[in-house]
Amino acid sequence: QKEVEQDPGPLSVPEGAIVSLNCTYSNSAFQYFMWYRQYSRKGPELLMYTYSSGNKEDGRFTAQVDKSSKYISLFIRDSQPSDSATYLCAMSRSGGSNYKLTFGKGTLLTVNP
Amino acid sequence: DTAVSQTPKYLVTQMGNDKSIKCEQNLGHDTMYWYKQDSKKFLKIMFSYNNKELIINETVPNRFSPKSPDKAHLNLHINSLELGDSAVYFCASSQVGGADGYTFGSGTRLTVV
Repeated sequence: QKEVEQDPGPLSVPEGAIVSLNCTYSNSAFQYFMWYRQYSRKGPELLMYTYSSGNKEDGRFTAQVDKSSKYISLFIRDSQPSDSATYLCAMSRSGGSNYKLTFGKGTLLTVNP
Repeated sequence: DTAVSQTPKYLVTQMGNDKSIKCEQNLGHDTMYWYKQDSKKFLKIMFSYNNKELIINETVPNRFSPKSPDKAHLNLHINSLELGDSAVYFCASSQVGGADGYTFGSGTRLTVV
């Protein structure tokens, strides 16, 4: 079983829809959870960051972490064509100098005008 | 002013050649990384350096050798290139502990023919 599982999609939605993206993981030591957005032919950019369980909201984006179920989600409200990208979940065990992120495979999202 | 810059952006080369990719960050971060993204968009860590010291060395062939002349630079040299090395290579940086996630470069698309 891979450490981080993410449905690669592709996911296609109409403009204005609510989008739900999810990842599951197997390593209960993960404590830091992130979502990155990657446009075609660009590097990933950090979208949301959460520590341990709970919710975090930033504009149209909400990140949720449920450590008991080893499940994280990203919700996008009022989706826009500019949200079309690959979304990657990422997580790590701890900080310190040997910090490393383990990524999911990414979900390709297309928002149609 | 680009935060994490990689050169070159594109690299096409023949099997058996040796090539280098350069990375520089101007964020004052202590830790730098090399990640490889394959054709299925999966991002996998290769190396990390903290203040010029090698911290993480995943199971990467010896043909790959990172070098960090100072904490703002991390270069990747690849010997005897193989077809399977074709991928996008991303450099990234973070503070120690990665509390605010990684900042990625825009990637180097390597094609081995």
